[in-house]
Amino acid sequence: AQTVTQSQPEMSVQEAETVTLSCTYDTSESDYYLFWYKQPPSRQMILVIRQEAYKQQNATENRFSVNFQKAAKSFSLKISDSQLGDAAMYFCAYREYGNKLVFGAGTILRVKS
Amino acid sequence: DTAVSQTPKYLVTQMGNDKSIKCEQNLGHDTMYWYKQDSKKFLKIMFSYNNKELIINETVPNRFSPKSPDKAHLNLHINSLELGDSAVYFCASSQDLARTGDVLNYGYTFGSGTRLTVV
Repeated sequence: AQTVTQSQPEMSVQEAETVTLSCTYDTSESDYYLFWYKQPPSRQMILVIRQEAYKQQNATENRFSVNFQKAAKSFSLKISDSQLGDAAMYFCAYREYGNKLVFGAGTILRVKS
Repeated sequence: DTAVSQTPKYLVTQMGNDKSIKCEQNLGHDTMYWYKQDSKKFLKIMFSYNNKELIINETVPNRFSPKSPDKAHLNLHINSLELGDSAVYFCASSQDLARTGDVLNYGYTFGSGTRLTVV
């Protein structure tokens, strides 16, 4: 089974600053998908960004971007110009064979005003 | 329009009872899932169905039984509820990438979750 590791249980960032959340994963596959999901206190799971492993280019979605290092099996999320609404639990996830999503343990992001 | 809707949002029940959680998606997705989020926020898959066929059945007590009457619905029935079943249960759906080839829009859409509390 694949594993996803988020080594930072909690992170803090000042409003308008940049923060990076770390994620590493273990796989023997060459083609796969990686995702970052955001879970605010409302508990809704919101897709932030996706990355296809065969694409060399890092995915970006407005203020959110990833640093995908395939050889290192690393998939970090960078949030630029942090806003109060970014405060949430962030989950890194790997799509395993058979469409199963395997999640990391999550990182709580706190945004200070 | 809600893409993946599950009901109820909250469920408080006594040990030993039987309860069901319903899920419906209007995205036209082929695959639906049940995930469990425990008290430490860890998310783990329980079941997945592809076009009404059971695909994934993780190590889950057989008191949990999923039912998919059609590809837009996946319900979860739980018998003889125990204290340890207290958690948030999420329904989710995704397209069948092998069938659609729509990689640009590929992703998993989650319902808003059902917080189950067993007392």
